Amino acid sequence: AQSVSQHNHHVILSEAASLELGCNYSYGGTVNLFWYVQYPGQHLQLLLKYFSGDPLVKGIKGFEAEFIKSKFSFNLRKPSVQWSDTAEYFCAVNVYNQGGKLIFGQGTELSVKP
Amino acid sequence: GAVVSQHPSRVICKSGTSVKIECRSLDFQATTMFWYRQFPKQSLMLMATSNEGSKATYEQGVEKDKFLINHASLTLSTLTVTSAHPEDSSFYICSALRTGNTEAFFGQGTRLTVV
Repeated sequence: AQSVSQHNHHVILSEAASLELGCNYSYGGTVNLFWYVQYPGQHLQLLLKYFSGDPLVKGIKGFEAEFIKSKFSFNLRKPSVQWSDTAEYFCAVNVYNQGGKLIFGQGTELSVKP
Repeated sequence: GAVVSQHPSRVICKSGTSVKIECRSLDFQATTMFWYRQFPKQSLMLMATSNEGSKATYEQGVEKDKFLINHASLTLSTLTVTSAHPEDSSFYICSALRTGNTEAFFGQGTRLTVV
């Protein structure tokens, strides 16, 4: 069965620090990859997605992610975090041709200290 | 565009009663909708895939007689938690797949508390 693993359960950073959240998936076929953010008390929002093409994907709010097929990874990065980035971050995988069904990682809680 | 609305956002019910949660795609048609469950500090677990006009497909371990799903139109899917118990207390989230698209859009979730 497909699975998604996020390496960090809770990350604490100071403002202006750089961020990298790891995500690995297990599936040998074609996948679509997503990062979602969930701010406290709010619903999931899409940060960025990768379907095909350039493996370096830029999303909203200065986030980017790089798809490395050989490593089955899709790590999320931001050069300089802000206090407002405090949230839960979820990596998700959609197996191609399984019509929007998402498999989520366990999530990473990011706390940014002002 | 691509707004998905869930109702109610919060509900408290007594043990043994049933609760219906609605998921609507407001500005697009959704042939397929998904229902997820999220426990505190945990990830979203897919419960079932809801297809308009046909029976839902449930994930392994999800009781289909307890979690009734109806997708009667291209803009509405409902999840009914029947004979709710305290262990059913959770955050339920739906997503809708725009017809012909591969990106799903999420509702704001429903916090269910069974007392």
